[in-house]
Amino acid sequence: KNEVEQSPQNLTAQEGEFITINCSYSVGISALHWLQQHPGGGIVSLFMLSSGKKKHGRLIATINIQEKHSSLHITASHPRDSAVYICAVPGYYNTDKLIFGTGTRLQVFP
Amino acid sequence: DTEVTQTPKHLVMGMTNKKSLKCEQHMGHRAMYWYKQKAKKPPELMFVYSYEKLSINESVPSRFSPECPNSSLLNLHLHALQPEDSALYLCASSRPYGDSSYEQYFGPGTRLTVT
Repeated sequence: KNEVEQSPQNLTAQEGEFITINCSYSVGISALHWLQQHPGGGIVSLFMLSSGKKKHGRLIATINIQEKHSSLHITASHPRDSAVYICAVPGYYNTDKLIFGTGTRLQVFP
Repeated sequence: DTEVTQTPKHLVMGMTNKKSLKCEQHMGHRAMYWYKQKAKKPPELMFVYSYEKLSINESVPSRFSPECPNSSLLNLHLHALQPEDSALYLCASSRPYGDSSYEQYFGPGTRLTVT
């Protein structure tokens, strides 16, 4: 069974700060997802990555397959970045079944 | 078109009602999913359809009945629900999994309240 752990669980930042959210998993995977969910809203897929680094606007995701670790960075954070960020990995025996982390709740204040 | 749409956005129903949730995608994806999400919790998988066939049922009570009329459309029929079934119901789609992992695209969800 793949365990997915995220840290921190809660994060508060001032506008403009650099944010890092971490995700660790216990079993080797083919790819990892980073998802965003605004309060009361649906889920948006930010990244799916299997190696190295991906960048989209102010968001950067990195993954180290050997260390079973991924990070999501937000540069120049903004109040609209306030959301829950969730990492998820495919199940070991059934890749249709995503194993979700517990999420990191980010609040960015002006 | 990289969008999964869900209707309705909000639904309030009594315990004796019958209602349906609808999900649609036009990305040519062959796998579609229903998730249930309670407040401050990650989504819980309910059902997966792959090539219009039910491939995963996570021991969901029979008061939830999924249906996949075609490759673009996924329904969730609701009957005799309980107040604890109140939650955000999310639909997602992706290509079918083999050895590679495919990205899941999520819809905005239907917020269901059972009274």
